[in-house]
Amino acid sequence: SQTIHQWPATLVQPVGSPLSLECTVEGTSNPNLYWYRQAAGRGLQLLFYSVGIGQISSEVPQNLSASRPQDRQFILSSKKLLLSDSGFYLCAWILKGANYYGYTFGSGTRLTVV
Amino acid sequence: SQELEQSPQSLIVQEGKNLTINCTSSKTLYGLYWYKQKYGEGLIFLMMLQKGGEEKSHEKITAKLDEKKQQSSLHITASQPSHAGIYLCGADGRTSGSRLTFGEGTQLTVNP
Repeated sequence: SQTIHQWPATLVQPVGSPLSLECTVEGTSNPNLYWYRQAAGRGLQLLFYSVGIGQISSEVPQNLSASRPQDRQFILSSKKLLLSDSGFYLCAWILKGANYYGYTFGSGTRLTVV
Repeated sequence: SQELEQSPQSLIVQEGKNLTINCTSSKTLYGLYWYKQKYGEGLIFLMMLQKGGEEKSHEKITAKLDEKKQQSSLHITASQPSHAGIYLCGADGRTSGSRLTFGEGTQLTVNP
């Protein structure tokens, strides 16, 4: 069966420190992968998405970056965190041509920048 | 980009009451998704609508997509405290799995 893993679940980081959040998918191949951020428990803002290894589309210019070094691995990074980077980060995946079954989301990482 | 507006932003109902949440798009919807989220948790997929006039039901939740494919509604019948959470509508483009973007969500509280 297909599963998606996100870690860590919670993270407290000082301003100016680096960030690395990892998302991995199991049980499928060549998925589309997504990073979202949710502030104040409301709507989700799409940050990055990837349709294949090394292919990254950025939605919002900011101090975050994403990489896809392997087919089922999606990493969200920052060199220097800002207070405004605090939020709930969610990773998602979907199999191409199978949107009927919906996008599957990870359990999220709550990031607090202090 | 696809702009999605959800209404109401928040909703408080008594257990047993029916309720409706709306999602309106500025553009034609090709794939419309409804999700539910408990605070601090990931999103749970409810339903996906694609065809104009389409309607789907799961337990006490019914989702509809209008004929013009620019508006969707989510209706809950005989609400229960377990229905409480944030409901989000999302839409992606003509190409399956392209970019899924979301509305701002509706916070539903069901009082026993």
